[in-house]
Amino acid sequence: DAGVIQSPRHEVTEMGQEVTLRCKPISGHNSLFWYRQTMMRGLELLIYFNNNVPIDDSGMPEDRFSAKMPNASFSTLKIQPSEPRDSAVYFCASSFGQMGNQPQHFGDGTRLSIL
Amino acid sequence: TQLLEQSPQFLSIQEGENLTVYCNSSSVFSSLQWYRQEPGEGPVLLVTVVTGGEVKKLKRLTFQFGDARKDSSLHITAAQPGDTGLYLCAGESNQAGTALIFGKGTTLSVSS
Repeated sequence: DAGVIQSPRHEVTEMGQEVTLRCKPISGHNSLFWYRQTMMRGLELLIYFNNNVPIDDSGMPEDRFSAKMPNASFSTLKIQPSEPRDSAVYFCASSFGQMGNQPQHFGDGTRLSIL
Repeated sequence: TQLLEQSPQFLSIQEGENLTVYCNSSSVFSSLQWYRQEPGEGPVLLVTVVTGGEVKKLKRLTFQFGDARKDSSLHITAAQPGDTGLYLCAGESNQAGTALIFGKGTTLSVSS
């Protein structure tokens, strides 16, 4: 079975540019999570969706970040405009269940570098 | 706010040694999950512990959930280089609608 698929795997861009990260969850999973991981702060939850509806976006840093889930098989995380402090590894994860606390399956992440 | 503190933050040992890492909180969790993350990959679930006092074994790894469901430990016997990675614990909150709460992890390096 295919796992969670994220693209791109690496992204290098200049500050001020728009960045779009993509995620395809595991088929049948109805919860989807976006995380950011840095050495300093560890794994931070940005937002999670259940049945395509955002449930908790309190971790989204600021208005420059937005996430969408137009259907059960696709989600995007957008940063506009990007800043150097946004450099991190961004993970998408999915799980099955009504609550956001079931075991999660992670993608391999997108390593984002903002110059 | 529920927090999970993991210790030690870093651990570097020789192959064959035993080690224990800890995951502590002042809050009660309904269950607790342990993940391992290897460089360049996402975290992968190792085990879920649900009952206070529960012990689960996965080959050389032994996981224990505290009696009060506020803490957990991971013990590795005879560590091998393949055990190298970041070990994360994640707690299931009692609050409805909340996602897993992750600790910052323990980075383990096992050298041969």
